[in-house]
Amino acid sequence: AQSVTQLDSQVPVFEEAPVELRCNYSSSVSVYLFWYVQYPNQGLQLLLKYLSGSTLVESINGFEAEFNKSQTSFHLRKPSVHISDTAEYFCAVSGVTGGGNKLTFGTGTQLKVEL
Amino acid sequence: DAGVIQSPRHEVTEMGQEVTLRCKPISGHNSLFWYRQTMMRGLELLIYFNNNVPIDDSGMPEDRFSAKMPNASFSTLKIQPSEPRDSAVYFCASTQLGNNEQYFGPGTRLTVT
Repeated sequence: AQSVTQLDSQVPVFEEAPVELRCNYSSSVSVYLFWYVQYPNQGLQLLLKYLSGSTLVESINGFEAEFNKSQTSFHLRKPSVHISDTAEYFCAVSGVTGGGNKLTFGTGTQLKVEL
Repeated sequence: DAGVIQSPRHEVTEMGQEVTLRCKPISGHNSLFWYRQTMMRGLELLIYFNNNVPIDDSGMPEDRFSAKMPNASFSTLKIQPSEPRDSAVYFCASTQLGNNEQYFGPGTRLTVT
C-alpha cells in the first residue's frame, strides 16, 4: 500500500515569485508519481508524472518536479508563478507492481497567487 | 474526443431519496474509477473497474453505496437511501490498463438536505 503526505494545505504567494509545493510518499514497492491540478469547479488534470528515467520532470506551463528516492519526495516547483496558476494541486502515487492503475492521492495544496 | 462525461452536474435531493450518478468513460478506456471529494476527507477512491469488472471496492463507505458497469461505455454509482453526510463532489475517471494517467470527468456535485 502507498500513502502521500502534502504538509501544506494552503500556500499564498505573490505573482512572479517562486513556489514549492511539498509532497512526500510512503511505499513498500517502487512507485510512479504524479501531480494533478484542479481549477475551481473542474475535475483534476494531469500536470506531470514520473515513471522512470530522468528524476526531473517538467510540465508545459513551467512547473517541474524532482523525484528523490532517498527522501521519498516529489516536490513541485515553479520559478515564477502567474495568477492563472491559482488552483489546488494534488500529489499522487501508484505502485509499479500490483494495484492496477490505482492512484493514492494526497490531501491537496491550495496555491493562491496574489498580485 | 469528448472526454469523460458525467451526469448530472449538480444534484440536490432530500435525505432518504435514491440518487444515481452516471459516467461515460473515454472511448477505448477499459479502467474506470469513482472518487468522492469533500473538504474534510479530501479525494477518496470509492471503487474501480477493469474491463467492466469491479476490482477494489474497499473505499465504498457502506452498503448504501453500490456501483455497476454493465458495459465498457457506462457506469453508475447509486446511493440508497441518501444521507446529508453523502454531500460531496463525485468524480469519475478513466484510463487504459497499463497507462498511468487517469482522465477525470467534471464531477457531480451532490447535495443531500
